[in-house]
Amino acid sequence: DAKTTQPPSMDCAEGRAANLPCNHSTISGNEYVYWYRQIHSQGPQYIIHGLKNNETNEMASLIITEDRKSSTLILPHATLRDTAVYYCIVRVGTDTGKLIFGQGTTLQVKP
Amino acid sequence: NAGVTQTPKFRVLKTGQSMTLLCAQDMNHEYMYWYRQDPGMGLRLIHYSVGEGTTAKGEVPDGYNVSRLKKQNFLLGLESAAPSQTSVYFCASSYDLVYYEQYFGPGTRLTVT
Repeated sequence: DAKTTQPPSMDCAEGRAANLPCNHSTISGNEYVYWYRQIHSQGPQYIIHGLKNNETNEMASLIITEDRKSSTLILPHATLRDTAVYYCIVRVGTDTGKLIFGQGTTLQVKP
Repeated sequence: NAGVTQTPKFRVLKTGQSMTLLCAQDMNHEYMYWYRQDPGMGLRLIHYSVGEGTTAKGEVPDGYNVSRLKKQNFLLGLESAAPSQTSVYFCASSYDLVYYEQYFGPGTRLTVT
C-alpha cells in the first residue's frame, strides 16, 4: 500500500473551512484514498473515500489532484467537535481489507 | 441498532494471565477486524475474519488468537499476557473488504503489569 504523508498538526478557527492535506506520491492506479478521524481516543470514524473524482458527503469533501499524488479533505464549517486526529489512508482495491494508519494530523478547532 | 460493541471497556492483567475480549456487531457484516493502538501511534491490524468460521493474520498477530464461531461475534484471546500487550484494542466490522467503510467499536483499554 502506498505511504501517506500528513502534517502532524493544524489549527482552524471555528466556523471556517478546515483544509487537511495529504501526500501520496506513490499511489497506484487502483488505490483508493480514505479518510478517517479519531476523536479523543474513541474508535476511528469513517469520513469519506475516493479514487480519482472529487467526492462530497454530509461530513466533508475530498479533492484529489489530477495526478492523484495528493488530496485534501475539506470540512466546510469546522466546529469544536471536529477537533480530532485525521488519518489519510490509501488502499488497494483487492487487498486484505486492512487499513494502514499513519500518524495522522491533529486538527485543533479554536473558538 | 448498537453498531459495534466491545467488552470489557477496561482490564488490568498480571503478566502470564489470560483473557478474552469480545466484539459484537448487529449490522450483519461479513468482515470483522481486531486492531491495537499504542500511545501516539496509529492502529495496527492484529487479526481479521472474512466470515463465520474463518480467521486470518494481520500485521501483528503474535501472542493473540481469535475465533469467529458466530457471524456477529469476533473474540480476541491473550493466552499469556505480556507488558508489551498493554494497549487499546479496537474491533471493527465492514460490509465488504474494500469499498465499504469500517465501523469501529469504542475500544478496550488493557494494562498488563
